[in-house]
Amino acid sequence: DAGVTQSPTHLIKTRGQHVTLRCSPISGHKSVSWYQQVLGQGPQFIFQYYEKEERGRGNFPDRFSARQFPNYSSELNVNALLLGDSALYLCASSPGQGKGETQYFGPGTRLLVL
Amino acid sequence: QKEVEQNSGPLSVPEGAIASLNCTYSDRGSQSFFWYRQYSGKSPELIMFIYSNGDKEDGRFTAQLNKASQYVSLLIRDSQPSDSATYLCAVWADGGFKTIFGAGTRLFVKA
Repeated sequence: DAGVTQSPTHLIKTRGQHVTLRCSPISGHKSVSWYQQVLGQGPQFIFQYYEKEERGRGNFPDRFSARQFPNYSSELNVNALLLGDSALYLCASSPGQGKGETQYFGPGTRLLVL
Repeated sequence: QKEVEQNSGPLSVPEGAIASLNCTYSDRGSQSFFWYRQYSGKSPELIMFIYSNGDKEDGRFTAQLNKASQYVSLLIRDSQPSDSATYLCAVWADGGFKTIFGAGTRLFVKA
């Protein structure tokens, strides 16, 4: 069975640009969460979606947005990129609403902003 | 005070020893607790989850939860060099749809 997949694996952008990251959850999983992980730190929660609705939002600026599609895949969008947005972006899926459930992570997208 | 705190390490143990990793959390409403392992350059992979006070064993791993003291620990018995990684403690609290991670503890197992 395929796990969580993310694309692209690596990305280089310049300041001020926009980026879209994509995630496909494990088959049958309905909840998707996004995390940002800066080197040396744990993952920081950005968003959680369940059944196409945003269920949780972390302390990130409005430049960050996301959505979930009917097939439960998800996109994370970041506008007006800053150098500090350079990080590993992780997507995680869980079977139900995500309330306290185990999350399974994808391989991540490594974003470098120059 | 950080919501989930871990000693950053590095924690160094010899091969075959027991590695003990600790985590404290601030929200008394926390209900679900997870340990993830993360190798350098890779994404976190689930090791164990625990919901109730006490011990939970899975192979060489034992998770311990004490809600009154607000700490959760992970014991790794018969540590192997392949266990060398960063171990992330994660906590989910009712009332929110987010899991909060600690910064992780780096573990080195010396052959």
